Amino acid sequence: GAGVSQSPSNKVTEKGKDVELRCDPISGHTALYWYRQSLGQGLEFLIYFQGNSAPDKSGLPSDRFSAERTGGSVSTLTIQRTQQEDSAVYLCASSLADSRSDEQFFGPGTRLTVL
Amino acid sequence: GNSVTQMEGPVTLSEEAFLTINCTYTATGYPSLFWYVQYPGEGLQLLLKATKADDKGSNKGFEATYRKETTSFHLEKGSVQVSDSAVYFCALYGNKLVFGAGTILRVKS
Repeated sequence: GAGVSQSPSNKVTEKGKDVELRCDPISGHTALYWYRQSLGQGLEFLIYFQGNSAPDKSGLPSDRFSAERTGGSVSTLTIQRTQQEDSAVYLCASSLADSRSDEQFFGPGTRLTVL
Repeated sequence: GNSVTQMEGPVTLSEEAFLTINCTYTATGYPSLFWYVQYPGEGLQLLLKATKADDKGSNKGFEATYRKETTSFHLEKGSVQVSDSAVYFCALYGNKLVFGAGTILRVKS
């Protein structure tokens, strides 16, 4: 079946604008994750959704960042009043369930550039 | 909190050379350990995993053994190929996936 898809693949925006990044997980996967990959750095956990449970937002860097997951499927990551330091690749991943051994399947990412 | 430390790159090797990429971790409890790989222009994908101490994960000629006594999960391959050139990420899963900074591997023909 189809893998995790993300849109747009690239986004260039001006400082201060809001952006929305979309993730379509693999059908049937109940767990969904957002990460940020900055140049020369590893992946930074942002937020995690599992079924109908309250999301784990512990990785969000500021209150300008928010995410929602509608109907247990598609997720949108919103960054308000973007700053240059928000420039990074934003990765979405999904897994069958949140277990210690479940593989996370990653999307291709959205490259965000804030001018 | 949980953390992963892996050797800095880039690592440059000739084809057929032996590869080791070191990875150590700090965690409470008994996390699962993973190696993910990111080939040029592609998304992250799981390379191998181990879920308990002394387990060995293996795939595509790569191996890593979960060593609880040294809190390590070093990645090894006996003979690398040009096609192995990629960025390799060590990760642990306690209650969320925590990644190392990644190691760039370049294999020359």
